[in-house]
Amino acid sequence: AQRVTQPEKLLSVFKGAPVELKCNYSYSGSPELFWYVQYSRQRLQLLLRHISRESIKGFTADLNKGETSFHLKKPFAQEEDSAMYYCAPQGDDYKLSFGAGTTVTVRA
Amino acid sequence: DTGVSQNPRHKITKRGQNVTFRCDPISEHNRLYWYRQTLGQGPEFLTYFQNEAQLEKSRLLSDRFSAERPKGSFSTLEIQRTEQGDSAMYLCASSHAGQGAYGELFFGEGSRLTVL
Repeated sequence: AQRVTQPEKLLSVFKGAPVELKCNYSYSGSPELFWYVQYSRQRLQLLLRHISRESIKGFTADLNKGETSFHLKKPFAQEEDSAMYYCAPQGDDYKLSFGAGTTVTVRA
Repeated sequence: DTGVSQNPRHKITKRGQNVTFRCDPISEHNRLYWYRQTLGQGPEFLTYFQNEAQLEKSRLLSDRFSAERPKGSFSTLEIQRTEQGDSAMYLCASSHAGQGAYGELFFGEGSRLTVL
């Protein structure tokens, strides 16, 4: 069965500190990996995808196929990074599966 | 606003009543998805359309749930004989097949259902 685990429900960091959100997945085949984000009072939106190998808003994500992990990192958190973050693998069946999410709070 | 539009945004109903939600995807997006999200959980896949064809339905979608996309544009999600366990946020998302298999999903703001 497909499973996405985000072990931290809540993550609180100080502004300027590094932040890492963990994601582990159990998926048949070789899924593509995404991170979606929901800022306060905004709709769910794509943050970044592994296939693009890009850094968005200072965030990067490392795919480790051996550990089946796709952790999201940012070296210096900003207050505007406070949001709910969802790890989301997608198989070749066009279905995106979401983890339970991690709420990040960046304190001044 | 040319984003994904959902209505109604909020619906309060009594147990046993039928409710219908509508989703208008981004123009020319031929893929349309319905997800359900309950408190403290991530969105759960319900069903998926490519144009007017419903290609997959989750086991979560009981016989009381039906979704349509009659002309390959807007979609409706109907819940018959609602139960309190149906209370959730219902999210619609769309994407363009031209982006390939792993295109970005664009989400609506959701329709929140409360069943009393």
